[in-house]
Amino acid sequence: EAQVTQNPRYLITVTGKKLTVTCSQNMNHEYMSWYRQDPGLGLRQIYYSMNVEVTDKGDVPEGYKVSRKEKRNFPLILESPSPNQTSLYFCASMENTEAFFGQGTRLTVV
Amino acid sequence: EDKVVQSPLSLVVHEGDTVTLNCSYEVTNFRSLLWYKQEKKAPTFLFMLTSSGIEKKSGRLSSILDKKELFSILNITATQTGDSAIYLCAVEPPHGGATNKLIFGTGTLLAVQP
Repeated sequence: EAQVTQNPRYLITVTGKKLTVTCSQNMNHEYMSWYRQDPGLGLRQIYYSMNVEVTDKGDVPEGYKVSRKEKRNFPLILESPSPNQTSLYFCASMENTEAFFGQGTRLTVV
Repeated sequence: EDKVVQSPLSLVVHEGDTVTLNCSYEVTNFRSLLWYKQEKKAPTFLFMLTSSGIEKKSGRLSSILDKKELFSILNITATQTGDSAIYLCAVEPPHGGATNKLIFGTGTLLAVQP
């Protein structure tokens, strides 16, 4: 079954404690992307990757890092999380414009 | 700056009503416009529109694009409580920028009451 898997689904952490949200897809897509979703702001792109070892900033990259060492995985790294990064995060894998989304990670930073 | 605006922001209807959701965009010469439905989890794909004036249908849902006036509508007839969700509109910018990049609107929250 084609899918995008994110982990964890829910995470509560403290300010400054590094965390990683994993994302894995089994469709062999080249393009992957991270979004955050906030009330009234919709989905905003954080980072994207057009292929292995090719990553670039989206619209709201500050405070985030990503890596793409292999095609299927695209982890999102928060080196020093802050409360304004409390949000719902989605990983997406895309081909021919159609996006397949992961189930989302609800992150709370206190 | 590329922009996608959806209206209304939220909508409450009763089962059986017909609703029209709007999406306008300020992205010239875009590649495609997409509609997604987001319930409690991840957005799921509904429609992709590339040509003006051609309606796409899937059951009670239909959508059409007007490239001249830069908007799209999503219609849902005979609404059911299972249609309650956030409906997201997204536009793909033209080639030359990042391929596969999507610009999302803020979404319309639809609540269908029994």
